Amino acid sequence: KNEVEQSPQNLTAQEGEFITINCSYSVGISALHWLQQHPGGGIVSLFMLSSGKKKHGRLIATINIQEKHSSLHITASHPRDSAVYICAVDNDMRFGAGTRLTVKP
Amino acid sequence: GAVVSQHPSRVICKSGTSVKIECRSLDFQATTMFWYRQFPKKSLMLMATSNEGSKATYEQGVEKDKFLINHASLTLSTLTVTSAHPEDSSFYICSARGSFDFRDPSGNTIYFGEGSWLTVV
Repeated sequence: KNEVEQSPQNLTAQEGEFITINCSYSVGISALHWLQQHPGGGIVSLFMLSSGKKKHGRLIATINIQEKHSSLHITASHPRDSAVYICAVDNDMRFGAGTRLTVKP
Repeated sequence: GAVVSQHPSRVICKSGTSVKIECRSLDFQATTMFWYRQFPKKSLMLMATSNEGSKATYEQGVEKDKFLINHASLTLSTLTVTSAHPEDSSFYICSARGSFDFRDPSGNTIYFGEGSWLTVV
């Protein structure tokens, strides 16, 4: 069983929709990362969280340490948001399987 | 701009040869570097963690003699795939975390390289 579980695995949305991707983990962590991977492979680090909430543009990430759960939200989604979103827990960098997001125009 | 540079971005090599992939931190000291492998449509898999000046710590199932990792300086780590075989063809990515990072003085932010596509023919 993966120590980091992401849901959903695949997500298709219409442009403008509010998106939520969830990440649950089973180990104690010092921080959690949300990453974005576009076709072609390049990875961009979106957020690093150890508590509370962070916002960057249309992206919002939250984490609940007690519940071992984090969410990534995308407001007013756009086709250019289409990518694989991955959560990773720090300490030893364990990754979720990723959520493949497709935003249709 | 890129904070962690990986080179080469694509490499094709013949079976049996060795290939080296470099990972450089451009404007901070990378005290810890991570190497990952990714199979098509699969998630990243941590291969090893290296701290500058010490031997890399390999994940279970990763062959140390096959995947040689060197982290000899605070800005450079290399992954050498030795005696490469077609099954080693994959996407390899590095990431780095360290000190003297003006963007994050805590040194907790991890920056990823662009990745290297290895094809062994």
